[in-house]
Amino acid sequence: KAGVTQTPRYLIKTRGQQVTLSCSPISGHRSVSWYQQTPGQGLQFLFEYFSETQRNKGNFPGRFSGRQFSNSRSEMNVSTLELGDSALYLCASSESMPNTGELFFGEGSRLTVL
Amino acid sequence: DQQVKQNSPSLSVQEGRISILNCDYTNSMFDYFLWYKKYPAEGPTFLISISSIKDKNEDGRFTVFLNKSAKHLSLHIVPSQPGDSAVYFCAAPNFGNEKLTFGTGTRLTIIP
Repeated sequence: KAGVTQTPRYLIKTRGQQVTLSCSPISGHRSVSWYQQTPGQGLQFLFEYFSETQRNKGNFPGRFSGRQFSNSRSEMNVSTLELGDSALYLCASSESMPNTGELFFGEGSRLTVL
Repeated sequence: DQQVKQNSPSLSVQEGRISILNCDYTNSMFDYFLWYKKYPAEGPTFLISISSIKDKNEDGRFTVFLNKSAKHLSLHIVPSQPGDSAVYFCAAPNFGNEKLTFGTGTRLTIIP
């Protein structure tokens, strides 16, 4: 079974631009979550989608948005990029209504904002 | 408000010795905890978990201990091996299990 796939793996943008990151979950997984990892901050929850619906959202500004498609693939978008948005963005998938909270992560998309 | 805290950003341990990674939490609603391991340029991978109805869970070289009264859990790795060098995150599912709250991580370095 293929794992969680994230594209692109690395990207460089400048302030004010916008970026779209893509995530393909493990086949059969309907829940997709996004996390931001920065040094010293650990993994910060961005949002979680299930069956194309956002079920939960973290404490991030409205510049951060996402969506999920009918095939469970998900995208997240960051508009008007700021230097502080430089981070590793991780996507994770899980089976529906996980009881254990176990997530399967992709390798991440490393965003650098100049 | 950091509900899950890992106060040691780094830890170095001699190969063959025991590694002990600590995690504290503040939310008494947490009733399940997980440890993830992360290598550079890879996503975190699930390592071991523990439910609040237990105070210990063991899986090979890895044991997690939970002290509910102290709101503290620890991960023991024995014996430590060079391949254990990674960043370790503790995490807890929030109500509804729709998200995990992670600690800030501890970078473990095993010295050969």
